[in-house]
Amino acid sequence: AQTVTQSQPEMSVQEAETVTLSCTYDTSESNYYLFWYKQPPSRQMILVIRQEAYKQQNATENRFSVNFQKAAKSFSLKISDSQLGDTAMYFCAFMKLLNAGNNRKLIWGLGTSLAVNP
Amino acid sequence: GAVVSQHPSWVICKSGTSVKIECRSLDFQATTMFWYRQFPKQSLMLMATSNEGSKATYEQGVEKDKFLINHASLTLSTLTVTSAHPEDSSFYICSARVLTGYGYTFGSGTRLTVV
Repeated sequence: AQTVTQSQPEMSVQEAETVTLSCTYDTSESNYYLFWYKQPPSRQMILVIRQEAYKQQNATENRFSVNFQKAAKSFSLKISDSQLGDTAMYFCAFMKLLNAGNNRKLIWGLGTSLAVNP
Repeated sequence: GAVVSQHPSWVICKSGTSVKIECRSLDFQATTMFWYRQFPKQSLMLMATSNEGSKATYEQGVEKDKFLINHASLTLSTLTVTSAHPEDSSFYICSARVLTGYGYTFGSGTRLTVV
């Protein structure tokens, strides 16, 4: 069974600095998707970034980038120039392909609570 | 685009009553809807996956008679918590798969409190 591990329950960073959140996963599949989601205090889940396993190039979205190491099954998120609005829970997720039809469910890590301090 | 509207955002009900939570896809057709439960400062726990026009698939340990899921149309999925008890108090989130780009979009969640 697929598992996703986020080993940092809580992190903090000073505004404008860079922080990296770690995520490792376990799977026997060769094709899959990985995601980072953000859940701010409003509790609305927001997609931060997505990575296709077959792509070697690391995904980037403005200040957010990932370090995808497929062989090591590692998928870390780097937030550059941290802003107060980045304060949130961050969840790493793996997309599993179910056997039936086109259903795909996400396997979630336990999350990392990030606090950006002024 | 790809917005899921979830209602109500919060609800308080008496023990023993039933509560219905609705998720509507506003600008796309949601063939698959995922229902999650989340406890404070914890991860999302998948309860069930529903497909339009068919019975929902429940995760192990989730009581299907207690958490009734209906996905009668491509734009509406509902979760009904039947005979609610205080231990059912939680945050419930729906999520629909967006067919383009393998993304998912989430409702804003429902905070249920059973008193």
